[in-house]
Amino acid sequence: GEDVEQSLFLSVREGDSSVINCTYTDSSSTYLYWYKQEPGAGLQLLTYIFSNMDMKQDQRLTVLLNKKDKHLSLRIADTQTGDSAIYFCAENNYGQNFVFGPGTRLSVLP
Amino acid sequence: DAGVIQSPRHEVTEMGQEVTLRCKPISGHNSLFWYRQTMMRGLELLIYFNNNVPIDDSGMPEDRFSAKMPNASFSTLKIQPSEPRDSAVYFCASSLFREQFFGPGTRLTVL
Repeated sequence: GEDVEQSLFLSVREGDSSVINCTYTDSSSTYLYWYKQEPGAGLQLLTYIFSNMDMKQDQRLTVLLNKKDKHLSLRIADTQTGDSAIYFCAENNYGQNFVFGPGTRLSVLP
Repeated sequence: DAGVIQSPRHEVTEMGQEVTLRCKPISGHNSLFWYRQTMMRGLELLIYFNNNVPIDDSGMPEDRFSAKMPNASFSTLKIQPSEPRDSAVYFCASSLFREQFFGPGTRLTVL
């Protein structure tokens, strides 16, 4: 079945860039997503990319998709303490279920 | 729109009691999902509905768990009888095609 993998932890210094990586197995994935979960809260949709795109930028967030390698990354520029959270990668085959990765816990050090 | 609404936000109960979690999806969304999140197991999909019909319930852990969606604006997840290992945060999410939105979750503690 489909599988999504992520590294579990990432630490960066405030002001640096963060890069969170994700790999997936379903070659028919139509959309790839990044969600953010802050402590005690639900998952918040940050951004998503259609599978025929290579890159999407939204303010401090840049999503890169390498469809050949089934690799997705989220870059956060000028990382702030408020960016500390768990980031989930997810994939969806249009109209079907969403498959989530285990989440990467981002810690931003002052 | 108010987003996905879940109730109660917190539930503390004793082992053996029945627990009912409620969800109101975003109006117009045609898919609804129930997830469970724990430190040990992460985020697990329990069941999802499309147009009020259960599509995949393979994640429902046992017969003690049941979910219903009687109409497009309401769903319940019931645990009967509850056990301490059911303690978790339960999320409801809804979607229309490509965007899925989560509710704030119900934190369930079974003593």
